[in-house]
Amino acid sequence: EGQLVESGGGLVQPGGSLRLSCAASGFSFSAYWMHWVRQIPGKGLEWVSRINNDGRTTTHADTYADSVRGRFTISRDNAKNMLFLQMDSLRAEDTAVYYCASLSPGRGAFEIWGQGTMVAVSS
Amino acid sequence: EIVLTQSPGTLSLSPGERATLSCRASESVRSNYLAWYQQKPGQAPRLLIYGVSNRATGIPDRFSGSGSGTDFTLTITRLQPEDFAVYYCQQYSSSPPVTFGGGTKVEIK
Repeated sequence: EGQLVESGGGLVQPGGSLRLSCAASGFSFSAYWMHWVRQIPGKGLEWVSRINNDGRTTTHADTYADSVRGRFTISRDNAKNMLFLQMDSLRAEDTAVYYCASLSPGRGAFEIWGQGTMVAVSS
Repeated sequence: EIVLTQSPGTLSLSPGERATLSCRASESVRSNYLAWYQQKPGQAPRLLIYGVSNRATGIPDRFSGSGSGTDFTLTITRLQPEDFAVYYCQQYSSSPPVTFGGGTKVEIK
């Protein structure tokens, strides 16, 4: 059974940086497009970013949400079954639980989710 | 951007009753890429339905999805205690590729 485990969250000051990691196991990681989704506590889900299976990102319009474009960078290492999200110039409104999720090919749905990692941006 | 509007915001029902949740898209959802998720407090979302009406692995048959184009429905027949949660719809299309509805909370009456 597939599993995703995020790490790297924490408390950071506005303008700071964090790098989130997501370790995949139990499925063919390199075959899946991977995404980051975030959720402000008590609020709904917001798509953040995606990367295709071989690590190439598509046009920025399809790679990042408007709210993070130019500040966040998604990447992956298929040899290590790892997904990353580099978050720079963090703002208070980036405070949320960040989930990594795998998009099932041909289904357009997220079958595997991590447990989430909390990012808090505050002075 | 395809905007998904879920209604109602909160549904108050008793165990054993039927729940009908709505998800309306601002434009037609491509290739019927419409999914439903269940989320309980402190947990990640769990996939229930993909492709409008296909149950994900291990999902009980009391959950069903229907609809097409811009109007979609998640139905839960005979609500069980573990079904009280927040439900989200999600579509996968172009630019941006993924959007979620605002959620419907199913609470115990």
